Amino acid sequence: NAGVMQNPRHLVRRRGQEARLRCSPMKGHSHVYWYRQLPEEGLKFMVYLQKENIIDESGMPKERFSAEFPKEGPSILRIQQVVRGDSAAYFCASSELAKNIQYFGAGTRLSVL
Amino acid sequence: ILNVEQSPQSLHVQEGDSTNFTCSFPSSNFYALHWYRWETAKSPEALFVMTLNGDEKKKGRISATLNTKEGYSYLYIKGSQPEDSATYLCASLSGGSNYKLTFGKGTLLTVNP
Repeated sequence: NAGVMQNPRHLVRRRGQEARLRCSPMKGHSHVYWYRQLPEEGLKFMVYLQKENIIDESGMPKERFSAEFPKEGPSILRIQQVVRGDSAAYFCASSELAKNIQYFGAGTRLSVL
Repeated sequence: ILNVEQSPQSLHVQEGDSTNFTCSFPSSNFYALHWYRWETAKSPEALFVMTLNGDEKKKGRISATLNTKEGYSYLYIKGSQPEDSATYLCASLSGGSNYKLTFGKGTLLTVNP
């Protein structure tokens, strides 16, 4: 059973470009969470999704950031018009149920030039 | 305590030493406490999920205790080995959420051979 897969592992974007980060949850998991780690900070919750639904996006910046988890395919975290402050490591986790243990991917490190 | 705090920030020990570190978390509306082990460039690996006051969990040479009344958890490693070198993260579920993990910044453990 493959773990949580994130790609790309590293992403470089210039200011103003779009960044798309992908996350494939573990098989059988229908709950996906995105976390962000800014430099010198701990992991911070961004958004919680179930298939086709955003359950809680309270940790996500209101502008330029969006997330989806379609019926088929991976969850996508999309950042439009990236700025230098978006440079961070973005981690995805999945679980079988909301209250269960969350299994993490290895993260996508976004660098904005 | 409003945030999850971990101490020490980093720790160097010799192979064979036993060590422990602390996680402090909000005790109000507590739901669960998670410990993760995180090696550089890999996924955070779940070690323990603890929910009950007085809980003790063990996995090989690693064990953890939980005090929900005062809001702290200890992680112990007995007879440290170089392969134990990693960042140990704790994360709490509290404040009425059973899915939004609040992470500490971690304790970086280095075990010298």
